Amino acid sequence: GAVVSQHPSWVICKSGTSVKIECRSLDFQATTMFWYRQFPKQSLMLMATSNEGSKATYEQGVEKDKFLINHASLTLSTLTVTSAHPEDSSFYICSGTSGRVRTDTQYFGPGTRLTVL
Amino acid sequence: GEDVEQSLFLSVREGDSSVINCTYTDSSSTYLYWYKQEPGAGLQLLTYIFSNMDMKQDQRLTVLLNKKDKHLSLRIADTQTGDSAIYFCAESIRNTGKLIFGQGTTLQVKP
Repeated sequence: GAVVSQHPSWVICKSGTSVKIECRSLDFQATTMFWYRQFPKQSLMLMATSNEGSKATYEQGVEKDKFLINHASLTLSTLTVTSAHPEDSSFYICSGTSGRVRTDTQYFGPGTRLTVL
Repeated sequence: GEDVEQSLFLSVREGDSSVINCTYTDSSSTYLYWYKQEPGAGLQLLTYIFSNMDMKQDQRLTVLLNKKDKHLSLRIADTQTGDSAIYFCAESIRNTGKLIFGQGTTLQVKP
């Protein structure tokens, strides 16, 4: 149980275009979803926290107009990287948590590798 | 602020035990976690321990928590080549749901 999927698993796009990444909780309702960014051989950096039906809360230094997060339902959150540039190339990972599954435990998706040319 | 530290690399021989260490700073953490990440993949939850516990064992995995020293360890018994991965410890921040991750420990298992 507690499976999270992400789509696409990898994407290559041209500089200046926008890319949308989906995060779905498949067998539980994720009241809260988190978006992380991971650079090669580094740890996960929390970008934002989103609660279903509310605006996302962004961490310091993360541009909310560049990384648009929508959490429209209890099973789906999306991250849109707008006007992507090569420095946005990274591994993006989402996670979901629900009090019904286990308090505070986050279940992670497999990640999406974004390459901006 | 909150901080989690791990050693970066550990190499063991197949069949030996592996011990990965982690220190954290937030004494109000409710849960502490160990996640495993294989190349190009997301994070797999291995085990977790509630902050009022000292030890938790789950098959080959043993988690030890020293709350006084804010030290967490993960012991993998009879380490196999399939255990080669990056292991992250993480502490949860009370009332936020946020996790603070360590830098990750790369475990290399030699045959």
